[in-house]
Amino acid sequence: DTEVTQTPKHLVMGMTNKKSLKCEQHMGHRAMYWYKQKAKKPPELMFVYSYEKLSINESVPSRFSPECPNSSLLNLHLHALQPEDSALYLCASSQDLTANYGYTFGSGTRLTVV
Amino acid sequence: GNSVTQMEGPVTLSEEAFLTINCTYTATGYPSLFWYVQYPGEGLQLLLKATKADDKGSNKGFEATYRKETTSFHLEKGSVQVSDSAVYFCALSDPTDMGRRALTFGSGTRLQVQP
Repeated sequence: DTEVTQTPKHLVMGMTNKKSLKCEQHMGHRAMYWYKQKAKKPPELMFVYSYEKLSINESVPSRFSPECPNSSLLNLHLHALQPEDSALYLCASSQDLTANYGYTFGSGTRLTVV
Repeated sequence: GNSVTQMEGPVTLSEEAFLTINCTYTATGYPSLFWYVQYPGEGLQLLLKATKADDKGSNKGFEATYRKETTSFHLEKGSVQVSDSAVYFCALSDPTDMGRRALTFGSGTRLQVQP
């Protein structure tokens, strides 16, 4: 299995809702990442987990809350989002933090906040 | 800090034309370099990589050579197809950058190939 699987593929939520994005990989990778991508822009790093511990938080607002329950799973909990948070959310994984072999990305969750 | 600069797009070519997308980088250490491709509505796919100077990465007819002397990693393809239409991102990973252990992306270059 050489994939990163993200669910759901599309999500529409209101500003008072609570939802979660899920990411799963079975490649034995020990580093996992959340990125946010706006239209016609490169991905922006949000969070990095290494060996299930939060390694980097790129000053992301607290309405985004990451969780790494085990080495294969990464969640992103969403609460009280704003319309400007609408974007493509990408999960990625790599063998370790050196990322010498690059990242494997999921196909993303397209989030619309209404 | 580390940075990646790509040529502005969109790049519009006819089918079977030669493609070059320029990429230059700035890094404090010895980075690995990557090209990723993003097709409409999808995530990023690793296209090719090079981990040290003078390495050539290649995949699906695309090539790029890690040039330390010019700090460049230009993407080339001899004959593009309509199916190559996508956004291409150059990126680097610098494992010696203790405070920034993640990929640094360029701004992306949109390629449009016309039949």
